[in-house]
Amino acid sequence: GQNIDQPTEMTATEGAIVQINCTYQTSGFNGLFWYQQHAGEAPTFLSYNVLDGLEEKGRFSSFLSRSKGYSYLLLKELQMKDSASYLCAALPAGSYQLTFGKGTKLSVIP
Amino acid sequence: EPEVTQTPSHQVTQMGQEVILRCVPISNHLYFYWYRQILGQKVEFLVSFYNNEISEKSEIFDDQFSVERPDGSNFTLKIRSTKLEDSAMYFCASVLGAGTEAFFGQGTRLTVV
Repeated sequence: GQNIDQPTEMTATEGAIVQINCTYQTSGFNGLFWYQQHAGEAPTFLSYNVLDGLEEKGRFSSFLSRSKGYSYLLLKELQMKDSASYLCAALPAGSYQLTFGKGTKLSVIP
Repeated sequence: EPEVTQTPSHQVTQMGQEVILRCVPISNHLYFYWYRQILGQKVEFLVSFYNNEISEKSEIFDDQFSVERPDGSNFTLKIRSTKLEDSAMYFCASVLGAGTEAFFGQGTRLTVV
């Protein structure tokens, strides 16, 4: 089966850096996705890690350690518009379905 | 930029009625999905569709649910006899190929009364 854990809520200050952690346990593993979801809207793709290491894309970076079953999403130079839920999703081996965590609701304050 | 489109954006239906949710995936994508999200809860996988047949389905996707790709563009989810607990946001998603990101539609908010 699949189990994905991430913190429920986080608060950070505008302009700061925040790291959102995700641990996963899956029966086989093909990759780890991060999605952003604003309230009442669809998830939008942020990043995909399949190999160990850091993937950087502008203000957002994502890290994966397959041996530890661990990933994080790093958001730099936080902006108010970054207030949203951040969803960690695993792609199990031999499957094309995403298994989502419950999401981390990030509130950015002035 | 290509996008996944879903209709309707909102649907209110009486318990026991049939509903059909419609999706137009991105045209060159090969894999199609339905997910649902009950208010305040996580996004849950329902079903995946590839090569004109269901490739995977979850425990949620019971006999009340069915999917179809009636033509080259539309992808539909039918709920035969809706229950109160079917109230949720239903997202359609499509994927170009294995290991690539899923693009989600804006969702259909289904309310069963």
